[in-house]
Amino acid sequence: EAGVVQSPRYKIIEKKQPVAFWCNPISGHNTLYWYLQNLGQGPELLIRYENEEAVDDSQLPKDRFSAERLKGVDSTLKIQPAELGDSAVYLCASSLNRGDGEAFFGQGTRLTVV
Amino acid sequence: AQSVTQLDSQVPVFEEAPVELRCNYSSSVSVYLFWYVQYPNQGLQLLLKYLSGSTLVKGINGFEAEFNKSQTSFHLRKPSVHISDTAEYFCAVSDTGGFKTIFGAGTRLFVKA
Repeated sequence: EAGVVQSPRYKIIEKKQPVAFWCNPISGHNTLYWYLQNLGQGPELLIRYENEEAVDDSQLPKDRFSAERLKGVDSTLKIQPAELGDSAVYLCASSLNRGDGEAFFGQGTRLTVV
Repeated sequence: AQSVTQLDSQVPVFEEAPVELRCNYSSSVSVYLFWYVQYPNQGLQLLLKYLSGSTLVKGINGFEAEFNKSQTSFHLRKPSVHISDTAEYFCAVSDTGGFKTIFGAGTRLFVKA
């Protein structure tokens, strides 16, 4: 079974530029998460989708971050414009909607804003 | 709201020695508890989880954890570590709906030869 696939693995951009990350969850997983992981910290939830609906985006900085999950499968996370403080690893995870909390994580995208 | 505290940021240990990684949580409601492992440049992988029932939970790679409700702890243990266990370990707590998961800051386990 293929795992959660994220691309790109690494991205370096200049501040004020836009950037987008892509995530393909495990087939059949209707719950999709985007997490932010700062260096030396645990993941922090940005947004959670149930199918194509964003059901928890309370921690997403909506002035510069946006996300979408068209057709309830793949998802993209966008930052525009990027700031130096956005340098971090962006993790995508997916799970079955069975309420046991177990999530499967992708390898992440390491963003460096210079 | 839930919170998680991992009491050690780094734990160095010699190969074949036992190890315990400590985790405390706070919550006003019943919770699920998890330990995830993250190898360098990788995503997180579930080691074990506590949902209900027996307080001693066994996971992959020889790890186990014990849920202690009175002490609000969920410490991770392994009787004999290997070099390959060197990684970052995250304790996490969620509500019993399983959707709102809070992660600790992580403990870096460094196994020395």
